[in-house]
Parts: sequence; structure tokens; C-alpha cells
Amino acid sequence: NAGVTQTPKFQVLKTGQSMTLQCAQDMNHNSMYWYRQDPGMGLRLIYYSASEGTTDKGEVPNGYNVSRLNKREFSLRLESAAPSQTSVYFCASIVLAGHLQDNEQFFGPGTRLTVL
Amino acid sequence: AQRVTQPEKLLSVFKGAPVELKCNYSYSGSPELFWYVQYSRQRLQLLLRHISRESIKGFTADLNKGETSFHLKKPFAQEEDSAMYYCAPRGSGYSTLTFGKGTMLLVSP
Repeated sequence: NAGVTQTPKFQVLKTGQSMTLQCAQDMNHNSMYWYRQDPGMGLRLIYYSASEGTTDKGEVPNGYNVSRLNKREFSLRLESAAPSQTSVYFCASIVLAGHLQDNEQFFGPGTRLTVL
Repeated sequence: AQRVTQPEKLLSVFKGAPVELKCNYSYSGSPELFWYVQYSRQRLQLLLRHISRESIKGFTADLNKGETSFHLKKPFAQEEDSAMYYCAPRGSGYSTLTFGKGTMLLVSP
């Protein structure tokens, strides 16, 4: 199993450009998440998808949109990138169903995004 | 409001010294508590969860409901323990993880 994969690994954008970060998992997990990691701020939840067909806002959703394409894939889109969105983005997934709520949340390797 | 606090941004110790990374939380109900670790430029990975009461890589963490704390401890730090550590509670029922701001542990030879 590849676990959680993310593409691209690195990206440089100019202010105003758009892009989509891709995430996929092959563990048949039902819940998927997008976080951003910034120095001194820890990980902050952007959006999550509890199950296929549903998405919800997290702590810092402004400037982002998501799509849960199917059970495996969860993409994050920046419609008009801003320098404040320079960050490392992590995707994660977990089973999280009923009594299995103690299952481990698995993370992808991250995408380093710089917006100039 | 749900809140998790890791008071130390940086903890620097010498090899062989004891380590305690602090975590305090404010949550309604009975949250689940986790510690995640991130080695340099790698993905986050689960280190410990309170319900399993296990010791991983020599680390332990005890949930103190009275003090609402879940401090991470290791009696003898190793250089390979140098990493960023995140405390992460999750509320009861279906809920998302909330991450603290993290503590960078540096273990010097």
C-alpha cells in the first residue's frame, strides 16, 4: 500500500494564479482532511470530508475549496493564490467509524507551496 | 471552547537526560488524546494514543483528567528523538483532531 500520497511535492505560484493539490489514499478510509502547517502555528484544519459526498469547513477555510472526487481522492483548490497561503499542506485520512474512532490518522508527505 | 496548549516552543536537552513535553487541553466531555511526531521534513506519524497505554520508542504519556494534561515523557533522551512533537485531542463522538502548536525537541550529544 502506498498509504496517503500527495502531488505535487513542491510548487511556486504567482499571486492570483490558481492550482489544485491532489491527495489520494489506498487504505479504504472514509474520512479525509487537509491541513496547513506554518511555523509557530502548528497544524490547522482547512477542510475535511467525513465520508464520500460530504465536505465541511475547518478552522481556516477562506481562500480554499475542496472536492471529494470519490472515496480515494480529496483535492484542495486555490482559486486565486495569495502570499498568505505560502505554507506546507498535508493531507490525511482515517477510518473513523463507530467504535473504531481510535484508529490512526495517516498523513501524506506534504506539498510545499510558495506564493510570490 | 476546545483548546490545546503546548507551552514550550523549543526544548533542548543533552543525550541521556530526561524529557517531558507538556500538553494541556480544554475540552468538553472525554476527549481522546494523541501525540504525533514529525522528523525533519517528513510526514507526521502517530507516536502514542492514551487509550492504548503503550510505550513507543521509550516514550510514555499519562492522561491526567484532573489537571487536563497529557504530558509526554522519556527517561533518557536520544539524538534520534530530535523532532517536532504535536499533542492532539479529539472530542468524543465523531470529531476532528485539534493540533497544538508543537514543541521542537533538540537532543544534543
